[in-house]
Amino acid sequence: NAGVTQTPKFQVLKTGQSMTLQCAQDMNHNSMYWYRQDPGMGLRLIYYSASEGTTDKGEVPNGYNVSRLNKREFSLRLESAAPSQTSVYFCASSRPSNQPQHFGDGTRLSIL
Amino acid sequence: QKEVEQNSGPLSVPEGAIASLNCTYSDRGSQSFFWYRQYSGKSPELIMFIYSNGDKEDGRFTAQLNKASQYVSLLIRDSQPSDSATYLCAVMTGGYQKVTFGIGTKLQVIP
Repeated sequence: NAGVTQTPKFQVLKTGQSMTLQCAQDMNHNSMYWYRQDPGMGLRLIYYSASEGTTDKGEVPNGYNVSRLNKREFSLRLESAAPSQTSVYFCASSRPSNQPQHFGDGTRLSIL
Repeated sequence: QKEVEQNSGPLSVPEGAIASLNCTYSDRGSQSFFWYRQYSGKSPELIMFIYSNGDKEDGRFTAQLNKASQYVSLLIRDSQPSDSATYLCAVMTGGYQKVTFGIGTKLQVIP
């Protein structure tokens, strides 16, 4: 069972470069999320998508854009990477209502 | 005031002891509460969830919720070295599934 799959697992970028982090889930979940995790800060929500066709900002959306391509896929784009965006990025998905989230393995992103 | 507060630890307990992890939250409208375990370099893994006041037991794990005191805890009985990890408390508020995570408590189980 794949669950939530994130690609790539590691990436190094130079300041100003752009890239897209990919996320796909095979659990038929409606809701999908992007988080970043930094030491001492915990998990912070960047964007979420409650259902196919909808996206909303979370706590730290600046510098990011998202696309809910279909029910399975939710991508996160950094248009012009900055060193402050060095972090571990996690994608998660869940059923509607009060169900728990399931996480992918994460993408470790370094921006020089 | 942070929405979800946890002591970052580390909390050290001897093998076989009970580990008690605590979490407080600020929004009285919070509806659902989750505990995740995260090993170093890995992703969060759900271990317990609780929606109603009281205790919920699953194997060696017990989640406790007190909505009046805005307090949720996780007890780990017969702690094992393999339980050494960071435990994240997560609280869901609102109709659109807004989930706020605490910074996590690092647990060290000493053999």
